[in-house]
This record gives sequence, structure tokens and C-alpha cells, in this order.
Amino acid sequence: QKEVEQNSGPLSVPEGAIASLNCTYSDRGSQSFFWYRQYSGKSPELIMSIYSNGDKEDGRFTAQLNKASQYVSLLIRDSQPSDSATYLCAVEVYSGGGADGLTFGKGTHLIIQP
Amino acid sequence: GAGVSQSPRYKVAKRGQDVALRCDPISGHVSLFWYQQALGQGPEFLTYFQNEAQLDKSGLPSDRFFAERPEGSVSTLKIQRTQQEDSAVYLCASSYTGAGNTIYFGEGSWLTVV
Repeated sequence: QKEVEQNSGPLSVPEGAIASLNCTYSDRGSQSFFWYRQYSGKSPELIMSIYSNGDKEDGRFTAQLNKASQYVSLLIRDSQPSDSATYLCAVEVYSGGGADGLTFGKGTHLIIQP
Repeated sequence: GAGVSQSPRYKVAKRGQDVALRCDPISGHVSLFWYQQALGQGPEFLTYFQNEAQLDKSGLPSDRFFAERPEGSVSTLKIQRTQQEDSAVYLCASSYTGAGNTIYFGEGSWLTVV
């Protein structure tokens, strides 16, 4: 059973501060990890992908992966009100036939307070 | 088109009615996924196609759900004898190949069963 766990929140962060979003996963075979942002009433939008242990930075976003701890996180620096959304963690497990599709967490609702 | 296109965007069905949801993936994308997202939840995997082959349908909740992609491009998700618990957003996504590639989502088909 593949499980991806996230704190549903809401997580409230002042504008300009760092927002830290966390995710754990159960399947040690997971090989690709993604963070999606989803605004209310909209479809998920990919913001970060990470495949190996360590940090990956892209603008104000940093994804961190620790496969030994089965833990992936997303840091958002200089948080803006437009960052207010639900952030979905997703993992991908490969099998002989290719990707098995993404398994998503329930999402963390992030609120950036002006 | 430039993105994944889904239709209808909104559908209200009476309980017991059959519905068909259409997905037109990004041109050239081999992999196509269907997800179901209930209110306040993350997307749940339904089924996966590689070209016209349905490689995984383990997420389909019952035999009332059926998906096809006969020519390896457009896909249809059919729900027979709809029930209230089928009310959700049905998201279609596509990628160039499955493993490790960015998966792009459509805007979703919002189904309400009354």
C-alpha cells in the first residue's frame, strides 16, 4: 500500500517569512518526488521535482529529499500572498512497465498572511 | 492544443444516469492518467494508459467505471449508473513518457450526482 502523508493544515505564515511544508511516504521503492500547487477550483500545477537526496533550489522554492527517512519537504522563501494555495506532495514508483502513476498526499493548505 | 483539454468542465447527473468524460492530451504524449479528486482530498489514481494500452486500472473504484483510449490519443472515462459518492473532480493528465517525466493536468471535469 503506497501512502503519502501530509499535515492538512491550514498552515498560516506571515508574508515575507519562510513556509515549510513536509511530506512522508511509505514505499521505499519511490523514485521520483514532486510538489504540486493547487489553487481552489483549479488543477494541480507542478512547481518542483526532485529525484536524489539533498536540496534542489528553484527561485524562492527549495525541495529537500531524504530517502533514508522517507521524507520530502518544500521551503518557500519570502512568502507572498499569491503563494496561498494547497500544496500536494506526490511520489512515483517505477515498475517493469514504467511509471505506476503518481500517489498524492491529501495536501497542505497554506495561507500567507499580508 | 497547448494543454490537456477536458470536457465537459461541469456535469450534473441524476443518480443512475451514465456519464462520459473526455480527455484530449497534449499532442505526442504517450502516457495518459485519470485521477479522481474529492473535495478536500488529494487526487486518487484511477487508471493509466500507454498509447492505447491500459496498463493499470487498479484504481477504478468499481466495475461501473470504464476507461478507453482506442487510438492512443483521446481518452474517455465512462461512469455507469452514477451514485452520489461518484461526485468529484475527474482529472486527466498526460506526459511524454511515464517514468520521471513531468505530468501535466487538465482543468478537470466537475461531476455532481444528485
